[in-house]
Formats: sequence, C-alpha cells, structure tokens
Amino acid sequence: NAGVTQTPKFRVLKTGQSMTLLCAQDMNHEYMYWYRQDPGMGLRLIHYSVGEGTTAKGEVPDGYNVSRLKKQNFLLGLESAAPSQTSVYFCASSYISYEQYFGPGTRLTVT
Amino acid sequence: DAKTTQPTSMDCAEGRAANLPCNHSTISGNEYVYWYRQIHSQGPQYIIHGLKNNETNEMASLIITEDRKSSTLILPHATLRDTAVYYCIVRGLYNQFYFGTGTSLTVIP
Repeated sequence: NAGVTQTPKFRVLKTGQSMTLLCAQDMNHEYMYWYRQDPGMGLRLIHYSVGEGTTAKGEVPDGYNVSRLKKQNFLLGLESAAPSQTSVYFCASSYISYEQYFGPGTRLTVT
Repeated sequence: DAKTTQPTSMDCAEGRAANLPCNHSTISGNEYVYWYRQIHSQGPQYIIHGLKNNETNEMASLIITEDRKSSTLILPHATLRDTAVYYCIVRGLYNQFYFGTGTSLTVIP
C-alpha cells in the first residue's frame, strides 16, 4: 500500500495563478483532510470531507476550494494564488473516527 | 472545540524517560486526546490516543488526569530518533484535528 500520496511535491506559482493539489489514498478511508503548515506553527485545517461528494470548511478555508468526486481522491484548489498562501500543505485520511494518516506534504511558494 | 497548551520546548537525556505535558482544560466529555509527532518537515506520525483511561502501546504511554483537563505523553527510553515536535490534539466531532504549536523535544546524547 502506498498510503497517502500527494502531487506535486513542490510548486512555485506567481500571484494570481491557479493550481490544484491532488491527494490520493489507497486505504479505503471515508474521511479526508487538507491542512496547511506555516513556519514555526502547527497544522491548521483548511477543508475536510466525510465521504464521496461531501466537503466542509475547517479553520482557514478562505481562498481554497475542494472536491471529492471519488472516494480515494481529495483535490485542493487555489483559484488565484496569493503570497499569504505560501506554505506546506498536508493531506490526511482516516477511517471515520480513527487516527489520521498523513501524506508527505506539498511545498508551495507564491511569489 | 477545545484547544491545547504545551510547553514550547524540552530537552531529555538519551535513555531517560521523556514526559511531555499538555493542558486541555476545555475538553468535553466525548472528545479524544491524540498525540502525534513531526520529524523535520515530514507528515505527522501517529503515536497514541485516549479518552479517559491511561493507554500504552509500543511507542509510548498516555496518562490522562481524572478530570481530563490535562495529559502527559511518556516516551519511556528516549533515543536520538525521538527528537521531533510533539503535538497534543483534541479531536473534533468529524475527526478533525486541531493542532497547537506543539513541543519541540530535543534528545541529548
């Protein structure tokens, strides 16, 4: 099992550009999550999904959109990137109310 | 959702027990406490979790006070590879995790 994978690993964007981060899990988990981590801080929840076709806002949802069209995939979109969105993005998944498994992260820089 | 408070940093001698405290004074009766660690900038790694009873697994022990307002993670014999940032997390209704800033543990040879 690959666990949780994230694509891409690194990306540099210019202000105003858009992009989509892909998270994939092969553990048949129901729940999936997107977090961001800024330097010296803990992870903050952006959006999450409790099942295929459902999404919900977390602590810091502004500027991001998500979609969960397939159970194994959770997409995070930035429609118009801003320097404040420079961060490391982590995806996680869990089987309902059990521990979350995290991906390796995507390092995004917006110039 | 409850928030957690942890010391910013701690040191521990290699081979000794590392005791990492956490305050979660506003935790509600059905909220679990989870502990994760993050080495360098890797994805966080699960350590242990509990509701009200003390828990032990192959990595660590978790001691939760009777009033559930605080807990302590114990690494019984710290090694250099245990140097990491340790997060105490209270789980939300839909299994959302609310991270604090964590404790940076340095194991000293």
